[in-house]
Amino acid sequence: SQQGEEDPQALSIQEGENATMNCSYKTSINNLQWYRQNSGRGLVHLILIRSNEREKHSGRLRVTLDTSKKSSSLLITASRAADTASYFCATAFKAAGNKLTFGGGTRVLVKP
Amino acid sequence: GAVVSQHPSWVICKSGTSVKIECRSLDFQATTMFWYRQFPKQSLMLMATSNEGSKATYEQGVEKDKFLINHASLTLSTLTVTSAHPEDSSFYICSARGEGGWQETQYFGPGTRLLVL
Repeated sequence: SQQGEEDPQALSIQEGENATMNCSYKTSINNLQWYRQNSGRGLVHLILIRSNEREKHSGRLRVTLDTSKKSSSLLITASRAADTASYFCATAFKAAGNKLTFGGGTRVLVKP
Repeated sequence: GAVVSQHPSWVICKSGTSVKIECRSLDFQATTMFWYRQFPKQSLMLMATSNEGSKATYEQGVEKDKFLINHASLTLSTLTVTSAHPEDSSFYICSARGEGGWQETQYFGPGTRLLVL
């Protein structure tokens, strides 16, 4: 069964606004990763945050991790039309061979 | 770096035929490859984990005789959908994971869209 639950399921914003999506999970993790998928394409790895880290930045992306609440958030600042995509969180648990378990995804639409 | 390719990108076949999908890591050696299935507007569901030179490990509910996986080299894994039926129509995505510091991140192929008529 899927471990991650993402919220919201869909998000529509204007270009230039920030987009925030959240991911919750159920068990202990080794790391949590965020991926982007454009329609009908494969997944692009965005950022990995380890269980002992609380925040990570990559360009316009900011990821936080709260292991006490078993949740993570992805913030995209100053969004662009090209950011329109589905965003997935995925958790990895070392005892499970670091297999990824994906959340349901958030579909983001950035309107120009 | 870390490019994964899949071939074909899309395939249409008749019910009852078998279809082979290739997944290649182009610039790194992948000790482990994963096969996922994705239905429209849904998330990825892991089908199986493929380790080079050994038998694949299938997730619960995935028929190993239906979805044959071969990981013959450190850069190639294949998924064969045997006796395909319309319900097998889906988007199949592979990913590859390397060794050492590459182990944490999976790099995904572009996916293969299968339509069974």
